[in-house]
Amino acid sequence: GNSVTQMEGPVTLSEEAFLTINCTYTATGYPSLFWYVQYPGEGLQLLLKATKADDKGSNKGFEATYRKETTSFHLEKGSVQVSDSAVYFCALSLFSTINAGGTSYGKLTFGQGTILTVHP
Amino acid sequence: NAGVTQTPKFRVLKTGQSMTLLCAQDMNHEYMYWYRQDPGMGLRLIHYSVGEGTTAKGEVPDGYNVSRLKKQNFLLGLESAAPSQTSVYFCASRHRDRGLRETQYFGPGTRLLVL
Repeated sequence: GNSVTQMEGPVTLSEEAFLTINCTYTATGYPSLFWYVQYPGEGLQLLLKATKADDKGSNKGFEATYRKETTSFHLEKGSVQVSDSAVYFCALSLFSTINAGGTSYGKLTFGQGTILTVHP
Repeated sequence: NAGVTQTPKFRVLKTGQSMTLLCAQDMNHEYMYWYRQDPGMGLRLIHYSVGEGTTAKGEVPDGYNVSRLKKQNFLLGLESAAPSQTSVYFCASRHRDRGLRETQYFGPGTRLLVL
C-alpha cells in the first residue's frame, strides 16, 4: 500500500536557524507529493507540491525536491521565523488513472505530522 | 469566494447521540473528502465522493455515513457517537483530474468531543 513517513517531532529551533523535515514515501505508481502546513487553530494549507521526479516545489522560502531514487521529499528552509511555528504534513496522491483496480480519485495519504516551534 | 466551509466549528456529544457535520464548497469541485485528525496519526480518510449522488469508503469508515445530494455539499453523519470518535474532522475538495495534478483545499475543521 501507499504510505508516508515523516521525521519524529517535535522540532524546536531558534529564529534564523536552518530547517529540515525529512519525508519518505512508499507508493505503487507515480505519486504527486505535497507539503501542507497547519497553523494553530486552523485547517491545512498547501505549502508546496511536486508532481514528477526531480521537480522542486517552493513557497515562502520553503523548498522540497522530489527524489525518486531515494523516495524522499524533504522540506527545507534556510532561515526560519517565529511565524513558521506550525504542524507540517507530508502527503502523497496518486494521479487518477483508470486501471484494473479502479482510480485513486486523488486521495491523499498523509504522514503523521511534525510540530515545529521556533523561538525568538 | 469562501472556499471550503464547515459547520459546526466545535461540538460536544454524549455517547450514543447522533449528529451531522456539514461541508460546503463554492469552487464547483467534483471530488470531496472527509478526514479525521488524531494526535500522532496525521489525517486519515473516512469517506469520499467523486460526484453528486456518489460516495465511497476511505481508510476508516466504520461508525460514519455520508451523503452528497448536492455537488457543493458533503455531509458526514455519526449515528451513535462513541468516545473513539473524539477527533478533529476536516473536509476537503478538489477538481477531478483534468490533465493537471490537482490540489485539495481544506476547510477549517470541526472539533468533536464525545463524552
